[in-house]
Amino acid sequence: GEDVEQSLFLSVREGDSSVINCTYTDSSSTYLYWYKQEPGAGLQLLTYIFSNMDMKQDQRLTVLLNKKDKHLSLRIADTQTGDSAIYFCAERMGLTGGGNKLTFGTGTQLKVEL
Amino acid sequence: GAVVSQHPSRVICKSGTSVKIECRSLDFQATTMFWYRQFPKQSLMLMATSNEGSKATYEQGVEKDKFLINHASLTLSTLTVTSAHPEDSSFYICSASLVAPSSYNEQFFGPGTRLTVL
Repeated sequence: GEDVEQSLFLSVREGDSSVINCTYTDSSSTYLYWYKQEPGAGLQLLTYIFSNMDMKQDQRLTVLLNKKDKHLSLRIADTQTGDSAIYFCAERMGLTGGGNKLTFGTGTQLKVEL
Repeated sequence: GAVVSQHPSRVICKSGTSVKIECRSLDFQATTMFWYRQFPKQSLMLMATSNEGSKATYEQGVEKDKFLINHASLTLSTLTVTSAHPEDSSFYICSASLVAPSSYNEQFFGPGTRLTVL
């Protein structure tokens, strides 16, 4: 099966770090992604990680992947009010072509308070 | 960056009518386009995968006669909700993949279309 689970809600203070967690069940995932969705809008790709990597850092974003536990996390350093949004993890199976579909997590609502 | 547009952004229609939603890749050619449906405070559910010039592949449980998908060119795919009913009210999002995809095969998402059926 392809179940991707996330906690529903996370609240942090501005300036603190946010950690959003994701667990998946399909061990054949090749790429895992983090997307951001602002209210009434489509999805914006934030970052991705290939399945043979453990960690990837991109400015304020750090992705950690634990393949053994099928656990993915996104850490946002120095969280700002503009980071308030819904964050989706997604997994993709297969390596080639545009036909490989994504399975999205349930989404985590991040609220950044002053 | 690659831009995907959707039209209309919001539509309200009467029960029983049909509604067409367009998805366009503005500055790139898309081999494949995907159509998703998102209910309030829920995740995206893939409805169908559309390849240019061929029939769409629908996910289990999605009625192909109700949700008609046409992908006539490398820059345009359309989703038509036929005989819409209130339970079809939802946020519909499309995405597109490049003809020559990068290794991580990014999907570029449109801004979504809010459909309300009265």
